[in-house]
Amino acid sequence: EDQVTQSPEALRLQEGESSSLNCSYTVSGLRGLFWYRQDPGKGPEFLFTLYSAGEEKEKERLKATLTKKESFLHITAPKPEDSATYLCAARGGADGLTFGKGTHLIIQP
Amino acid sequence: NAGVTQTPKFQVLKTGQSMTLQCAQDMNHNSMYWYRQDPGMGLRLIYYSASEGTTDKGEVPNGYNVSRLNKREFSLRLESAAPSQTSVYFCASSEATGTGGVITGELFFGEGSRLTVL
Repeated sequence: EDQVTQSPEALRLQEGESSSLNCSYTVSGLRGLFWYRQDPGKGPEFLFTLYSAGEEKEKERLKATLTKKESFLHITAPKPEDSATYLCAARGGADGLTFGKGTHLIIQP
Repeated sequence: NAGVTQTPKFQVLKTGQSMTLQCAQDMNHNSMYWYRQDPGMGLRLIYYSASEGTTDKGEVPNGYNVSRLNKREFSLRLESAAPSQTSVYFCASSEATGTGGVITGELFFGEGSRLTVL
């Protein structure tokens, strides 16, 4: 059974304090690792797709990386508007798309 | 650009009542999905429609039915609501779904329908 585990569950940072969110996955035949951002009361919004180990994607203060067992979402010099829940999802073979429970990120001014 | 539109946004039902959640997308996507999101759990797939005219069960289909009315619209019906179905429901769409329901690209989500069953 495919599994996706995100850590930490919650993270509180000061504005400008860089950090990383972790997504560990156990998926047979990974066909894509997705990151989404979810604001309170809203649906998830697509951020990145990574397909192979060593791949990196960047968008503003966010950078996603992928290894054979994990993905990291690095947040550099975050701002309060980066506060959200970040979801990771892995796409395997027969089991389709599996979501993690998310990391709730709070950036304090 | 509306994207994915869900109605209603909020609904309170009594146990045993029925209701239908509506979803429409204007991105000309082939595939549509219904997920539920519960506290402490990841998004779980209820049903999906890989293309117009087809529907398939996801991870948690019991107690639900779906209809792919046309390429734009995909509805979710609760025939006899139960308290365990209290949740936030998200409709999503994507360009395509591959063999066996494997989603081939990123999902575009609606804003959610918050359902409470008393």
